[in-house]
Amino acid sequence: SSELTQDPAVSVALGQTVRITCQGDSLRSYYASWYQQKPGQAPVLVIYGKNNRPSGIPDRFSGSSSGNTASLTITGAQAEDEADYYCNSRDSSGNHRVVFGGGTKLTVL
Amino acid sequence: QVTLRESGPALVKPTQTLTLTCTFSGFSLSTSGMCVSWIRQPPGKALEWLALIDWDDDKYYSTSLKTRLTISKDTSKNQVVLTMTNMDPVDTATYYCARTLYGDYVTWFDPWGQGTLVTVSS
Repeated sequence: SSELTQDPAVSVALGQTVRITCQGDSLRSYYASWYQQKPGQAPVLVIYGKNNRPSGIPDRFSGSSSGNTASLTITGAQAEDEADYYCNSRDSSGNHRVVFGGGTKLTVL
Repeated sequence: QVTLRESGPALVKPTQTLTLTCTFSGFSLSTSGMCVSWIRQPPGKALEWLALIDWDDDKYYSTSLKTRLTISKDTSKNQVVLTMTNMDPVDTATYYCARTLYGDYVTWFDPWGQGTLVTVSS
């Protein structure tokens, strides 16, 4: 399968921890990467690979993976973390084709 | 500093061919391991990967759209061009280009251009 599945919406209380998941067969072979997208803006990479954060991304963002599921965890969610989050991975074909998840809308209460 | 910028028509008619250009700076597509991808996002919908070109001029396309897409590069101009034939209103979307990097088991996009909205309408 070349599909990645995300929950459409997740909410978290300010300061609490939230996990956003991404499921798909390709994740058994490949790591996910994660992007944050705020309204009217281009996506921004927040996690890539096993658990790598680009420069400038707060350390409250972390990534993990188990079986066919990848997770993005925000520990101590802030109001500015409210956004859409997308995962991607290489697809199962083994070449450079890529697949995205359907996105998760995170609301910080 | 790596930057990318998309350019192209804001409006195309059904059945026409769309040509988009990604102009980038801060890296070279002749450097081993460097790639550029095109990704689109219909209004209110999810991201969809379209195509990738690498430093060695290898090209990869979305399985569902490969018959309509062509990606090419001009290394001397730091540009990547995407053409999409037979445009339809369902192709209305913001089109992004992004520098694409990869490891053995991961591919990621960083950074992205600001995107360009393309509307398909007669």
